[in-house]
Amino acid sequence: RKEVEQDPGPFNVPEGATVAFNCTYSNSASQSFFWYRQDCRKEPKLLMSVYSSGNEDGRFTAQLNRASQYISLLIRDSKLSDSATYLCVVGYNQGGKLIFGQGTELSVKP
Amino acid sequence: GAVVSQHPSWVICKSGTSVKIECRSLDFQATTMFWYRQFPKQSLMLMATSNEGSKATYEQGVEKDKFLINHASLTLSTLTVTSAHPEDSSFYICSATGQGTNYGYTFGSGTRLTVV
Repeated sequence: RKEVEQDPGPFNVPEGATVAFNCTYSNSASQSFFWYRQDCRKEPKLLMSVYSSGNEDGRFTAQLNRASQYISLLIRDSKLSDSATYLCVVGYNQGGKLIFGQGTELSVKP
Repeated sequence: GAVVSQHPSWVICKSGTSVKIECRSLDFQATTMFWYRQFPKQSLMLMATSNEGSKATYEQGVEKDKFLINHASLTLSTLTVTSAHPEDSSFYICSATGQGTNYGYTFGSGTRLTVV
């Protein structure tokens, strides 16, 4: 079983749609959680950290459920520029190694 | 903000030759550097973790004699792919963390290696 598993993609949605990504992790010792965005042939960029209390950044909302080892990302009112691969990422301690999920590709169409 | 400069951004080499990839932290001290490899349509796979002045810790299945990592200073880490073969063709990315990043992670822009 992979340490971090994400919804298989790709997701093809129209502009303005709401889209949700799901992710599960297997190691209960995981301490830090992130969503990264990766554009084609580029390095991943941090979208947001994920906290147990849930957090929101504009159109993006992330949730963490430690009991079920589940992480989600919700994108509202999707834009063409949201098209990218979204990576669920888990870390074990501050400054320690990150484990990446396989990514879910999102394509937002006009 | 924290910046990691990775070079080269792309390289084509012949089978059997060695390729060196450099990552430099420009405005912070990178106490730890992570090296990843990414094949097409796949996620980033951690290859090794290196702390400045120490030997790198390699992930299971990664050949340490083939992928030489040096982290001799707080601002420079290098990955050398020795005796490269076509199956080593991949996207290699470094990520650095340290006090200057408040232990967040700063990624290099990646190196696309093609071995012919």
